[in-house]
Amino acid sequence: EVQLVESGGGLVQPGGSLRLSCAASGFTFSSYAMSWVRQAPGKGLEWVSTITGSGGSAYYADSVKGRFTISRDNSKNTLYLQMNSLRAEDTAVYYCAKPNSGYNYGAFSGWGQGTLVTVSS
Amino acid sequence: QSVLTQPPSVSGAPGQRVTISCTGSSSNIGAGSDVHWYQQLPGTAPKLLIYGNSNRPSGVPDRFSGSKSGTSASLAISGLQAEDEADYYCQSYDSSLSGSVFGGGTKLTVL
Repeated sequence: EVQLVESGGGLVQPGGSLRLSCAASGFTFSSYAMSWVRQAPGKGLEWVSTITGSGGSAYYADSVKGRFTISRDNSKNTLYLQMNSLRAEDTAVYYCAKPNSGYNYGAFSGWGQGTLVTVSS
Repeated sequence: QSVLTQPPSVSGAPGQRVTISCTGSSSNIGAGSDVHWYQQLPGTAPKLLIYGNSNRPSGVPDRFSGSKSGTSASLAISGLQAEDEADYYCQSYDSSLSGSVFGGGTKLTVL
């Protein structure tokens, strides 16, 4: 059974940094691209970033490009999201997501429970 | 403003059939990118409902169906049940943005 468990969320001041983690189990982690998707309070889903299975390529939404960095440690089956220069509009529940196929942008069949990031002074 | 456009809300009585539209453009749905649909119950993570335009994952009832034509896609729910009351999102890949895009979401109310 696919399990994705996010951690690292919390309250941070504007301009601050936070690193999210997502521990994966139940599948061959290195065989799949992994993504972060966020949802601001009362709002819809927003794709944030995707990293290939090898970690060799990463893609970002324009809203986070240059501020967020996605990475992975395949030896630890863990996905990360380093978030710098945080803004109030980054406040959201952050989900890690696994596609249902080897395609980088396949449908997300696996989701974590989400971790809340609140950016506020 | 989402790249994919969905109606904010739809409603239907138990047993009825409702459809939710998802309108994109030539850089996403119209470019041949697959459309996927998710159901999100309050306070929970999204759940994959339809993938690859019209395929249902194991365990999803056949009351849910998806289709795609041109620059649009649709999710149909037949035999509405109270438990179907949720938010529904479409998703695709956008070549000009080089990333996934979601619709703004549609709230389904079962009357």
